[in-house]
Amino acid sequence: DAGVTQSPTHLIKTRGQHVTLRCSPISGHKSVSWYQQVLGQGPQFIFQYYEKEERGRGNFPDRFSARQFPNYSSELNVNALLLGDSALYLCASSFQTGTGETQYFGPGTRLLVL
Amino acid sequence: RKEVEQDPGPFNVPEGATVAFNCTYSNSASQSFFWYRQDCRKEPKLLMSVYSSGNEDGRFTAQLNRASQYISLLIRDSKLSDSATYLCVVNTYQGGKLIFGQGTELSVKP
Repeated sequence: DAGVTQSPTHLIKTRGQHVTLRCSPISGHKSVSWYQQVLGQGPQFIFQYYEKEERGRGNFPDRFSARQFPNYSSELNVNALLLGDSALYLCASSFQTGTGETQYFGPGTRLLVL
Repeated sequence: RKEVEQDPGPFNVPEGATVAFNCTYSNSASQSFFWYRQDCRKEPKLLMSVYSSGNEDGRFTAQLNRASQYISLLIRDSKLSDSATYLCVVNTYQGGKLIFGQGTELSVKP
């Protein structure tokens, strides 16, 4: 079975641009979460979606937005990119949203903002 | 104060050594606890969940002390392939928000 897939794998943008990152969860999983991981730090929670509804939001500015589609795939959008947005963006899927649910991570999208 | 704190290391140990990682969390309402492993430039992967009764998986033993808000991971008989960053992870809220520590880097040398 395929794991979580993300696209693109790498991306280079300049300040002020917009970016869209994509994630497909494991088949049968209905919840997708997004995390940002900057170098030397652990991942930080951005959003969680379940059944197309936002179920949680981390401490990120409104430039960050996301959505989930009927097939449970998801997009993360970041507007007006800043140098500090350079990071590994990870998508994780789980069957549901319970606190004990195991989250499985995709390989991530490496974003570099110049 | 960070919600989840770990010693960043690096821990440099010889093959066969026993190494212990510690982690503390600040929110006493935390409900679920995990150790994830992250290889260089790869995604985090679940190593094991952590239960109050303690749990063991081969060479790996995890312990949780809710009173002290402390989590540990013990690796016995270290292998070269254990070299990675180990992330302590807590789930405090209803839903799936995972809170990660900054990770502890382990390097096992021949």
